[in-house]
Amino acid sequence: EVQLVESGGALVQPGGSLRLSCAASGFAFENHWMSWVRQAPGKGLEWVANLNQGGSDKYYVGSVKGRFTISRDNAKNSLYLQMNSLRAEDTAVYYCARDFAVAGVKEGLDYWGQGTLVTVSS
Amino acid sequence: DIVMTQSPDALAVSLGERATIKCKSSQSVLYSSNNKNYLAWYQQKPGQPPKLLISWASTRESGVPDRFSGSGSGTDFTLTISSLQAEDVAVYYCQQYYRTRTFGQGTKVEIK
Repeated sequence: EVQLVESGGALVQPGGSLRLSCAASGFAFENHWMSWVRQAPGKGLEWVANLNQGGSDKYYVGSVKGRFTISRDNAKNSLYLQMNSLRAEDTAVYYCARDFAVAGVKEGLDYWGQGTLVTVSS
Repeated sequence: DIVMTQSPDALAVSLGERATIKCKSSQSVLYSSNNKNYLAWYQQKPGQPPKLLISWASTRESGVPDRFSGSGSGTDFTLTISSLQAEDVAVYYCQQYYRTRTFGQGTKVEIK
């Protein structure tokens, strides 16, 4: 059974930093791109970032470029999101989601974790 | 960035009736080399993470009831629920994966 379990969410002050983790199991983690998606309270979904199987190709939504860093450790089946210079507008539930394995074959974010809440407030 | 715009923002449909949600992308998400539309639909129920319903604009995921169907190509797409059931009450999102990923703003489906 595919499982994605996020952790690391917390209350943090504006300008602060936080590192989110996502523990993956039940599938060949090293074969998949992985994504982070966030959802502000009562709002819609916003894709944040993704990276390729080896961690060398990374893409970000404009609003987090230069502040957030996505990374992975395939030996630990784990995905991370380092968030720096946090702002109130970064307040959201952050979801880890499994992305594609082979481009053009099977795509879409087909498994999601339950999310971890990040609150940026003084 | 590719902007995804859904309509309507919300709709109320009677049980057993058809629900139709539109999604428009700011540029084509049809990849010419494989003739595939890089468009997915998700369902999100309250307190739950999203669930992938449809990929490639019209391919249902395993286990998704056949009352859900997707259509469209290029920049204009539709998600149709042919006979609304109580368990279909949710927010539905389209998403393009042609260039990075972008979601639509969501459409809330309720029972009339």
